[in-house]
Amino acid sequence: AQSVTQLDSQVPVFEEAPVELRCNYSSSVSVYLFWYVQYPNQGLQLLLKYLSGSTLVKGINGFEAEFNKSQTSFHLRKPSVHISDTAEYFCAVSHLFSGGYNKLIFGAGTRLAVHP
Amino acid sequence: GAGVSQTPSNKVTEKGKYVELRCDPISGHTALYWYRQSLGQGPEFLIYFQGTGAADDSGLPNDRFFAVRPEGSVSTLKIQRTERGDSAVYLCASSSTPGSSGANVLTFGAGSRLTVL
Repeated sequence: AQSVTQLDSQVPVFEEAPVELRCNYSSSVSVYLFWYVQYPNQGLQLLLKYLSGSTLVKGINGFEAEFNKSQTSFHLRKPSVHISDTAEYFCAVSHLFSGGYNKLIFGAGTRLAVHP
Repeated sequence: GAGVSQTPSNKVTEKGKYVELRCDPISGHTALYWYRQSLGQGPEFLIYFQGTGAADDSGLPNDRFFAVRPEGSVSTLKIQRTERGDSAVYLCASSSTPGSSGANVLTFGAGSRLTVL
């Protein structure tokens, strides 16, 4: 069975500082990895995804993540955060089931709070 | 439509009542998913539809929950004899046909917040 662990429930950071949100997964098969962001009272928005190829993936809003197979991690980073990055961030893992559908398993989320 | 639309955005009901939550996926998306997000947790998978059929309903918590998608577009999640523990945000997502490019990216709606008193 697959699972996702987001190691920090909350991450406070000052504006313009760098940030890293940690994500570890467990799976016995090859996986796809995703980061989603959820702003208050809104749905989940895809930040970035790793399907194959380069282990460093870049997403929207200046975020990037690195897939590390040996450490089963997919940490999210941003070199300089803005107040507007304050939101809940979810890491998710999946693999393509027979029939080709994509069943996402989510972590519990990390609340990023950016302070002025 | 341009995005995944869910109605109602908020629903307050009393314990024991029946509720229906509606999802209108992105036009042309054949894959549709329902998730449930309880307070302080990540979304949990409930059910997946490919076209009109439920291909994977392994996440439905019990037989009070069921979902339909009769014409392969709009889906309705139905909850009978609601309980306080059913209070959560119910999220719907859609994606393009499995095997096609973009099939591995789910687009989520804003959710329906259900409160059972």
